[in-house]
Amino acid sequence: QVQLVESGGGVVQPGRSLRLSCAASGFTFSTYAMHWVRQAPGKGLEWVAIIWYDGSNKYYADSVKGRFTISRDNSKNTLYLQVNSLRPEDTAVYYCAKDSDGRGYYGDYWGRGTLVTVSS
Amino acid sequence: EIVMTQSPATLSVSPGERATLSCRASQSVSSNLAWYQQKPGQAPRLLIYDASTRATGIPARFSGSGSGTEFTLTISSLQSEDFAVYYCQQYDNWPPWTFGQGTKLEIK
Repeated sequence: QVQLVESGGGVVQPGRSLRLSCAASGFTFSTYAMHWVRQAPGKGLEWVAIIWYDGSNKYYADSVKGRFTISRDNSKNTLYLQVNSLRPEDTAVYYCAKDSDGRGYYGDYWGRGTLVTVSS
Repeated sequence: EIVMTQSPATLSVSPGERATLSCRASQSVSSNLAWYQQKPGQAPRLLIYDASTRATGIPARFSGSGSGTEFTLTISSLQSEDFAVYYCQQYDNWPPWTFGQGTKLEIK
């Protein structure tokens, strides 16, 4: 069965960095695009970034462009999100989601998320 | 950017009754629309994709319809486990992939 397990969240001061990870299992990781989606406390879902199955293309929400970097290691079945220059408004649960395809459609499986809290 | 608008924000329905949730896109997304269910403290779960196709393991009481800019999620006979927040998401014109703000389905 498909499993996605996020890690790397925590409490961090504004301006600092974190690297989030998502360990995938139960499917052929290297053939699917992967997303990061976040949810601020009590708010709705906000798409953050996508990486194609082979890492050849990456797209970002305007709110994180230039500060966040999505990457993947297909040999380790792991997705990453490097989050730099963190702001209080980046506080959220960060979910990784498996796309239904290699290049980006919808998230058919989601992890349980990792909480990032940006606070001084 | 395509803006997705869901209505109502909150819907109160009794168990066993039908619930109808709406989602409108600011421009046509063809049938490239998904619905998700999210319960408190849980990750979203895919219910419907391509506007009307149920995802694996989703009960037949969930159905989706619509195309272009107007979409509907219908739950035919509400069970206790169906009370949750529901989001629509378009994947026609990206980036960005955009979600609606959600409809909270609560027990009446």
